[in-house]
Amino acid sequence: ETGVTQSPTHLIKTRGQQVTLRCSSQSGHNTVSWYQQALGQGPQFIFQYYREEENGRGNFPPRFSGLQFPNYSSELNVNALELDDSALYLCASSLGTTDPADEQYFGPGTRLTVT
Amino acid sequence: DQQVKQNSPSLSVQEGRISILNCDYTNSMFDYFLWYKKYPAEGPTFLISISSIKDKNEDGRFTVFLNKSAKHLSLHIVPSQPGDSAVYFCAATDSWGKLQFGAGTQVVVTP
Repeated sequence: ETGVTQSPTHLIKTRGQQVTLRCSSQSGHNTVSWYQQALGQGPQFIFQYYREEENGRGNFPPRFSGLQFPNYSSELNVNALELDDSALYLCASSLGTTDPADEQYFGPGTRLTVT
Repeated sequence: DQQVKQNSPSLSVQEGRISILNCDYTNSMFDYFLWYKKYPAEGPTFLISISSIKDKNEDGRFTVFLNKSAKHLSLHIVPSQPGDSAVYFCAATDSWGKLQFGAGTQVVVTP
């Protein structure tokens, strides 16, 4: 069990550009969730994927999109970057049961700065 | 709209004393509550949770209390240790599984 990893650690982009963030879930975890944590705030739910299908979405615009792959990796894509997109992006994996106690394991995050 | 609120951004406590962290929520559909701990440069790690059918859950030095009528929960850490210095997030979810987090409380345990 290697834990949840994310890449890159840090990233600087210019407003209007596009970015792809990557996450590698724990083996056997069918669900991945993405969160945005702005400075001084708690993580905000972006969306969740279960077995490669989107399984729910928070209050984020369509320019935030994702993919989940059969090898337990996933991506968060953000188009037309805005300054307010600067944040720590966290992914979390879980087994994918309907039990709310299904623990989510978080990666260390990717720090995105938009200038 | 912020459905989970942690109104104390920071807490300083002496080693060996009790730390009490508070959390309020507004959504009556939440049925499961969790506390996460976060160190710098690491992702949040699960600490303790409580179902809405209970009013207390204990795990070693950590106890979570839930007051459903007041829509309030608290985390008690006793005794506090230097390694407990971290940011603590309260989170809540309905049966759907999406976590909603509070803004966090920075705990500093002093010798």
